[in-house]
Amino acid sequence: EVQLVQSGAEVKKPGATVKISCKVSGYTFTDYYMHWVQQAPGKGLEWMGLVDPEDGETIYAEKFQGRVTITADTSTDTAYMELSSLRSEDTAVYYCATDLGTIASGGEYYFDYWGQGTLVTVSS
Amino acid sequence: DIQLTQSPSFLSASVGDRVTITCRASQGISSYLAWYQQKPGKAPKLLIYAASTLQSGVPSRFSGSGSGTEFTLTISSLQPEDFATYYCQQLNSYPIAFGQGTRLEIK
Repeated sequence: EVQLVQSGAEVKKPGATVKISCKVSGYTFTDYYMHWVQQAPGKGLEWMGLVDPEDGETIYAEKFQGRVTITADTSTDTAYMELSSLRSEDTAVYYCATDLGTIASGGEYYFDYWGQGTLVTVSS
Repeated sequence: DIQLTQSPSFLSASVGDRVTITCRASQGISSYLAWYQQKPGKAPKLLIYAASTLQSGVPSRFSGSGSGTEFTLTISSLQPEDFATYYCQQLNSYPIAFGQGTRLEIK
């Protein structure tokens, strides 16, 4: 059974950095891109970026470029999303999600399995 | 960037109804479109990809169609568990983008 288990809720002050983990099981971690998606309270979904766990290559949405770092640790089958210079607008639930297609096939860029979400609250 | 506009944003319907949600892209995206269902407090669930391919395990009452700039998600006969928010998503070009969502509520 495929599982993506994310780290727990965080409360951060403006200007701080948050790092969220996403531990996977039930499939070969390095075979699929891992994506991260932001959802502000009561709002829609926003794609942040992806990582190729095999070689660490990343692609980031321009909105988050410069503040987001997505990494993967193949020794623990865990992906990470770090967001810096936090501001109140970053208060949101953050999800990790696996790609539907394998990297070997070029990926599909549809989001198949999802983590349970991690709430990050930015407040002074 | 490609913008996706869903209509309606809010839909009230009854169990057994047939409903259709539309997603319009600001430029052509071929068939690079997916539909997700999200229930409160839960992660989204992939329903349809490549505009019309039903994801494994998704009931056949869900169907998708369209290409280019206009797409539809149809639920042929609403069930109680279908009341949720639905999002479309394009992957034709970066940044990957979602529509604003359609909230489907019980009448």
